[in-house]
Amino acid sequence: DAKTTQPPSMDCAEGRAANLPCNHSTISGNEYVYWYRQIHSQGPQYIIHGLKNNETNEMASLIITEDRKSSTLILPHATLRDTAVYYCIVRVASAGRRALTFGSGTRLQVQP
Amino acid sequence: EAGVAQSPRYKIIEKRQSVAFWCNPISGHATLYWYQQILGQGPKLLIQFQNNGVVDDSQLPKDRFSAERLKGVDSTLKIQPAKLEDSAVYLCASSPGPDRGATNEKLFFGSGTQLSVL
Repeated sequence: DAKTTQPPSMDCAEGRAANLPCNHSTISGNEYVYWYRQIHSQGPQYIIHGLKNNETNEMASLIITEDRKSSTLILPHATLRDTAVYYCIVRVASAGRRALTFGSGTRLQVQP
Repeated sequence: EAGVAQSPRYKIIEKRQSVAFWCNPISGHATLYWYQQILGQGPKLLIQFQNNGVVDDSQLPKDRFSAERLKGVDSTLKIQPAKLEDSAVYLCASSPGPDRGATNEKLFFGSGTQLSVL
């Protein structure tokens, strides 16, 4: 699985968009980008995933650059409940049975 | 839909004692994972089950850790004897199965068991 690089921490004002970057310059053509988040005292929660195209769901939007070497998770209107650690994970979708590998993630603090 | 259930929520033991954690995955999920999360780090896989068979236990310290998944449903993780460095949150997760493309990578996590070894 490709290695990812994320900033260790970020701040965002409540109500503003939170843009969380992830660098995955060694990504292969068949590797997906996944995002999970972990709110304090809870297990990680799936947010979104994508391959090439930008994706949007009820939680967030995922923007993947054309060369696929980086991506950005966008929380359009951050709330205090979005304060969490956000993990960017890159891996092949059909990688047999191997589990997801988590890095250290980005700690997002949403400020009131 | 019920989520992944774990118990206990907290456990405090002394070093060299034994401890067990229990996990009940989402109904119908074939794959079950145990992760260890040390404070300030991301979760690290300990063991992965597919139904009741072990798929990956390469990072499980087998001299002290053991896990089983009876009848391919519930699972228990045991530590015997515990060391100070085992203090961590133990997370259980489940997913539908290995052969469903990208959507298979959607793992559902429980809230974890926080273990303190004194």
